[in-house]
Amino acid sequence: EAGVAQSPRYKIIEKRQSVAFWCNPISGHATLYWYQQILGQGPKLLIQFQNNGVVDDSQLPKDRFSAERLKGVDSTLKIQPAKLEDSAVYLCASSLWSNSPLHFGNGTRLTVT
Amino acid sequence: GIQVEQSPPDLILQEGANSTLRCNFSDSVNNLQWFHQNPWGQLINLFYIPSGTKQNGRLSATTVATERYSLLYISSSQTTDSGVYFCAGGADGLTFGKGTHLIIQP
Repeated sequence: EAGVAQSPRYKIIEKRQSVAFWCNPISGHATLYWYQQILGQGPKLLIQFQNNGVVDDSQLPKDRFSAERLKGVDSTLKIQPAKLEDSAVYLCASSLWSNSPLHFGNGTRLTVT
Repeated sequence: GIQVEQSPPDLILQEGANSTLRCNFSDSVNNLQWFHQNPWGQLINLFYIPSGTKQNGRLSATTVATERYSLLYISSSQTTDSGVYFCAGGADGLTFGKGTHLIIQP
């Protein structure tokens, strides 16, 4: 089966610019997650979707980050405006349902200069 | 929220050695998973193990849910086992620990 697809693979932007990341989960997976991984740390959950509804976005900086999952399949994560501290790898993951094995994409490495 | 503590933070072993990685949770979890992040950054799911014991080749894991900890065993280490091992737990969305950085030397 195809894995979790993410794009772009790398992105370099200047602070105060905007950026968007795209994720296509494994077919049939109802739950989709966005994680942020800063160098040397474990992934931090930003938002969890169940189909096209938000289950948990308590750690999403909502003044600058937004995410959507239209039609319960693909998802986009947007940052506007970006700050230097947003430099990180943004990981998308999906699972069959909320309490089942997570499968991660290869991530998008964001550098904010 | 849940706190996840992993030990040891770093581990350097010779090829062929065995190792045990530990993960402690501050509260009960019903979703517990172990991951390996390879040197290229890819995160691979090793085990979904909210309780009990599982084995997959040279790797095995045990979770004692009542005592809020989990162990990952790696036997006969190979250089390809190098990387960072994360445990993660929670109710639905997973909280990750800081990881154990494992280096296997030839």
